[in-house]
Amino acid sequence: DGGITQSPKYLFRKEGQNVTLSCEQNLNHDAMYWYRQDPGQGLRLIYYSQIVNDFQKGDIAEGYSVSREKKESFPLTVTSAQKNPTAFYLCASSMGGVSTDTQYFGPGTRLTVL
Amino acid sequence: DQQVKQNSPSLSVQEGRISILNCDYTNSMFDYFLWYKKYPAEGPTFLISISSIKDKNEDGRFTVFLNKSAKHLSLHIVPSQPGDSAVYFCAASAYSSGSARQLTFGSGTQLTVLP
Repeated sequence: DGGITQSPKYLFRKEGQNVTLSCEQNLNHDAMYWYRQDPGQGLRLIYYSQIVNDFQKGDIAEGYSVSREKKESFPLTVTSAQKNPTAFYLCASSMGGVSTDTQYFGPGTRLTVL
Repeated sequence: DQQVKQNSPSLSVQEGRISILNCDYTNSMFDYFLWYKKYPAEGPTFLISISSIKDKNEDGRFTVFLNKSAKHLSLHIVPSQPGDSAVYFCAASAYSSGSARQLTFGSGTQLTVLP
């Protein structure tokens, strides 16, 4: 079954700790993305990567970091510098480089900072 | 400055009737538009898309209309079913040479289909 997996589903963190969210895809997609969703709002782009070993900041990258060492994987680290980290985090992937590029999403990780 | 707006936070429709969800955008560079459906605590599911070279795209019960001059698109669901009850997000992207398409999302509309 092709798809995008995110783990864990729920994550709790103490203030001041860094935490890493996992995202894996087996769709052979080149591009991967991280979004966060807050209650009553749309999705906002944190980081995206078009190709291995390359990534760009999105609209709200402050306090986050990413890596793209493998095509299949795009982990997101929420650092202690992120002032309001409690949110629902969504990973997506797409073929990239086509005019009608469509992003497909994973199931999400709910992060709660205690 | 919201470039993609969904002005109706919620919509209730009777089962079997038509649901019409609306979306407005301000960026004239947007040329590809998508609708996603989302249940609570799950990732969005892609529904249907439309390129700016078209004004209509159909897929089963779902039809998206694009009015470029008004910078407006709408999603029609006919007939509406209780399982359609979810939050619907409109998203738009602009072509950028050598760059992955970044999506800009609206804030979503909660559709409730009443039995």
